[in-house]
Amino acid sequence: QKEVEQNSGPLSVPEGAIASLNCTYSDRGSQSFFWYRQYSGKSPELIMFIYSNGDKEDGRFTAQLNKASQYVSLLIRDSQPSDSATYLCAMKGAGKSTFGDGTTLTVKP
Amino acid sequence: KAGVTQTPRYLIKTRGQQVTLSCSPISGHRSVSWYQQTPGQGLQFLFEYFSETQRNKGNFPGRFSGRQFSNSRSEMNVSTLELGDSALYLCASRLAGEGYNEQFFGPGTRLTVL
Repeated sequence: QKEVEQNSGPLSVPEGAIASLNCTYSDRGSQSFFWYRQYSGKSPELIMFIYSNGDKEDGRFTAQLNKASQYVSLLIRDSQPSDSATYLCAMKGAGKSTFGDGTTLTVKP
Repeated sequence: KAGVTQTPRYLIKTRGQQVTLSCSPISGHRSVSWYQQTPGQGLQFLFEYFSETQRNKGNFPGRFSGRQFSNSRSEMNVSTLELGDSALYLCASRLAGEGYNEQFFGPGTRLTVL
C-alpha cells in the first residue's frame, strides 16, 4: 500500500463546474497537508496547505482535512481551463514529506 | 522576494560520470529538500538539510549525496551515473521551525544520462 493514494485520473470537468480531488494517507503521524499544482514541464506550485481538521478556503479553492478518516481533499469551484494541470497531494510528519502520484485534471471549455 | 533558484536547468551526461546540482533557497529559508521526479516513480524524496546538517534521508543509494552551506545554499551530487538517474531534480525550501512546513519548489534541473 502506498503511503499516499490519490484518486486515479485523469479527471475531466466542464468549465464552471466543481472539480473534486481526493487523497488518503496511511501515516497517522502526518501533521501538515499540502496541495500542489504542476503544469506540464514545470515544477510543483503550492496552492493550499491545511494543518487542522475541517475546511480551509482560499478563493476558488477549498481544502478539507479529516484526520480520523486519514483523508484530505481539494475542491476547485468555477473550474477554468487554466486549472488544467496535475494536482499533487503531499503530507509531512516529523520526518520527510511524502507525495502522491498526482491526479491530472482537464477543464474543457 | 526571489524564489528558489536551481542551476543548471538542463544537463546531459553519460553513464559513469558524476554531476553536481546547485540550489539557492528563498531568502531567509533555512531548510532545503531535494526530490527526484520521474514519470514512473513520481516525486521521490532524496534528503533534507537544515543548518548544514542532513535531517532526513530517502531510500536512495549512497551514490546520491548532498550538502548545505552556511548561507543555506545546497548542492547535491550523483556519482557513477546510471541511465535510470535521468529525471527532473527538484529543490524545495521552507522557513523551518515550528509550524513552518510549507515548501516552495525551484524550477528543477532536467538531467539526461546517455
